[in-house]
Amino acid sequence: DVKVTQSSRYLVKRTGEKVFLECVQDMDHENMFWYRQDPGLGLRLIYFSYDVKMKEKGDIPEGYSVSREKKERFSLILESASTNQTSMYLCASRPGPLNTEAFFGQGTRLTVV
Amino acid sequence: TQLLEQSPQFLSIQEGENLTVYCNSSSVFSSLQWYRQEPGEGPVLLVTVVTGGEVKKLKRLTFQFGDARKDSSLHITAAQPGDTGLYLCADPSGAGSYQLTFGKGTKLSVIP
Repeated sequence: DVKVTQSSRYLVKRTGEKVFLECVQDMDHENMFWYRQDPGLGLRLIYFSYDVKMKEKGDIPEGYSVSREKKERFSLILESASTNQTSMYLCASRPGPLNTEAFFGQGTRLTVV
Repeated sequence: TQLLEQSPQFLSIQEGENLTVYCNSSSVFSSLQWYRQEPGEGPVLLVTVVTGGEVKKLKRLTFQFGDARKDSSLHITAAQPGDTGLYLCADPSGAGSYQLTFGKGTKLSVIP
């Protein structure tokens, strides 16, 4: 079975902390994504990657960075967490570009206090 | 990034009713995907449509891609409580084909 695993289901961090959200896929997929989901705003793309060490900004990259040192792992980094980054974060992967199916993790509910 | 507009934003219906939700853009889609997200889970792919005018059926769900490939609809016949969830349309081929962008979704509640 296809699996995308996010390291934490729930996370509480303090303002100003550096936060790492980890995502691992076991399908040898090329393409990986990080989204945040907020009520009424849908899934907004933060960053995506199409290969190891390759990354591209999505629609809302400000305040975030990413790392993809190995094909199976895509990390989202909040350099200095702020309260407006409280959200549900979803990781996804897919085999390649275009019409391939994306598989999602269960999400990390991050609260910044 | 291509803007995907979904309507309605919320829909609450009784079990057994029919419904249609929509996804529109001012630009032409190369293709379009529909996902469903249940509470506490990540989205799951329902269908990919590629050809203008294409119709695909998945049990009680019928997906249509507009002739001009600027819009798509999802019709559910005789809705069941298990259909409750967030329905998202997505452009799977943005920005050189590696970007996957979603609309804001339609939140459907089917009341028993």
